[in-house]
This record gives sequence, structure tokens and C-alpha cells, in this order.
Amino acid sequence: DTGVSQNPRHKITKRGQNVTFRCDPISEHNRLYWYRQTLGQGPEFLTYFQNEAQLEKSRLLSDRFSAERPKGSFSTLEIQRTEQGDSAMYLCASSLNWGLAGGTDTQYFGPGTRLTVL
Amino acid sequence: KQEVTQIPAALSVPEGENLVLNCSFTDSAIYNLQWFRQDPGKGLTSLLLIQSSQREQTSGRLNASLDKSSGRSTLYIAASQPGDSATYLCAVWGNTDKLIFGTGTRLQVFP
Repeated sequence: DTGVSQNPRHKITKRGQNVTFRCDPISEHNRLYWYRQTLGQGPEFLTYFQNEAQLEKSRLLSDRFSAERPKGSFSTLEIQRTEQGDSAMYLCASSLNWGLAGGTDTQYFGPGTRLTVL
Repeated sequence: KQEVTQIPAALSVPEGENLVLNCSFTDSAIYNLQWFRQDPGKGLTSLLLIQSSQREQTSGRLNASLDKSSGRSTLYIAASQPGDSATYLCAVWGNTDKLIFGTGTRLQVFP
């Protein structure tokens, strides 16, 4: 399967613990996005990378959140000192951006990681 | 700030009906609009992408139209099937280099 993969698929943790999620994009894609989706809502943008550079972070991404894409391939999203409000589906997407204005690239989404904070 | 709204929030129809799902957005300065399908507990599957210069796109039984000036898009599903049951999300891409999503329409097609 050459699609976007995410691990783990489910994570249950206790409040105050740290968690880390991984996203493996489609291999030739240079852009990688993280979104968060709560029940009954559409996904909300968190951050994105162009190769290894993190180009934008949403104000939703508090200091407890950090994302990396060290070699421009896979990415990790870490949440420190988790809170119950962090419970959500965390979605990763990748795309091939040709450098043209207008974002004409299609984003391909992974299956998501569902986080439950007890 | 771009806001995307989808109506209705939920829809339940018998198999075979033709459906129209609506999406509206507040800032017409978009580059493209995408429709996605999401099955329960799963990720998103892209259905159709309409560039701002286009009026519509078709794929099988799906047809999406875009009226950028009025800030509206519709997704038309012909001859609905139980397998079409899912949540349908629209998202716009503007000058902020990210997708802005609506809250979705939850569709149930019963036999």
C-alpha cells in the first residue's frame, strides 16, 4: 500500500502523559499536514511542512504540541502533558506541491490516530 | 476569516434517490474546493477537486459544481446506494495555504 500511513491507530493515555504519533506520507510528496478532528466537526489545521521545514503552525498548537519532519520524509507529532481536551482524531495528509501559487495539489489523508485522554 | 458551512448536517434517504449536498463559504477568494468522504472512524477520501476557474467536476455518479462569486458549491449524488452512507466534507483552499473544512453532512442511505 503506497498511501499515507499513521501509527498508532488508537492511543489511550492518562492525563499528564506524553504521546507521540507518526505519519508516513506518500513517498514523493513534499508537503505534509497535520489536522485535528473532534467528534461532529470537520478537521482543523494544526501545522504543515514543506520538505523538512515547518512553514506554519496554527494557534491551536499550544506549547505542549511539537511536530517534526527531520529528513523531509516521515513526521512525528508529540503532545506533552496531555489534557482531556486533547482527545480527538489526529489526521495526517500529504501532497505534491509544484511551487505554484494556489495550492492546486490534492491532499491525500491517512487513516488517522484516535487519541483518548482519560 | 474564511468560514465554511454545510447544509444539511444530516440526511437520511431511501436507496435510489438523487441527492444534493450544499456547501457555502464566506470568502470567495479561493483557489479550489474539494469534496471528501469520511467513513466512521476513518480518514478522508478525496472525491472531487474543482479549481476556481472551473464550474463543475464529475466522477461517476458524483457531480460537484462551484459558484465562486456567490460562495457556494453543491455535491450531487445520483441514484444513491447504501454504500454511499458516510460523512461528506467540503473544504476550500484560499491564500492561507491550508484547507478550511466545513462540519460535514452525515448521509445515511437505507435499502
